[in-house]
Amino acid sequence: GQQVMQIPQYQHVQEGEDFTTYCNSSTTLSNIQWYKQRPGGHPVFLIQLVKSGEVKKQKRLTFQFGEAKKNSSLHITATQTTDVGTYFCAGSTYGGSQGNLIFGKGTKLSVKP
Amino acid sequence: NAGVTQTPKFRVLKTGQSMTLLCAQDMNHEYMYWYRQDPGMGLRLIHYSVGEGTTAKGEVPDGYNVSRLKKQNFLLGLESAAPSQTSVYFCASSYPRGSVYEQFFGPGTRLTVL
Repeated sequence: GQQVMQIPQYQHVQEGEDFTTYCNSSTTLSNIQWYKQRPGGHPVFLIQLVKSGEVKKQKRLTFQFGEAKKNSSLHITATQTTDVGTYFCAGSTYGGSQGNLIFGKGTKLSVKP
Repeated sequence: NAGVTQTPKFRVLKTGQSMTLLCAQDMNHEYMYWYRQDPGMGLRLIHYSVGEGTTAKGEVPDGYNVSRLKKQNFLLGLESAAPSQTSVYFCASSYPRGSVYEQFFGPGTRLTVL
């Protein structure tokens, strides 16, 4: 079936270091979303990318969508302790039900002060 | 607005027991979803609904049933619980904001089946 692979599974960084998580799909995606889940919490929407090669920024977070719309990345510059949590990518496929998402398994980020 | 609420927050069942998880949203969203989250597995879609009175199977529907009798409510039923259904269950709702289908999640229900 359709899969969205996400790496790494875990990332431990020192506060101030950069962090990147990568997402790869076995099929072309119509769009990709990113969510953040704090420990003990629920996923919260961060952003959606739709266009091939799209790059969006939110303060220290940079999101990219690949040219072939099969991969994406989230980069955090100068991590802070408030960045701790699990980051999920989630893709929608062409022909799938509107709004349905296939989630990656997530990257769990821990930040050492 | 309360957003998306889930009842109950925690539940312990014995194998073979049944239960219903309730999801309610006050945002007038058309789309609603039930996911389960297991360690290292991400979020997997159980069932979803694109409107009142409609439901459809997701990636892992076996052992679950759903109903959407009212637009604001989406119920998830376990007829005969099994230990493999021990998980955290999240409900979500969404609506199209242009081409963006942001999903709003509830706080989750932690279910243990003994």
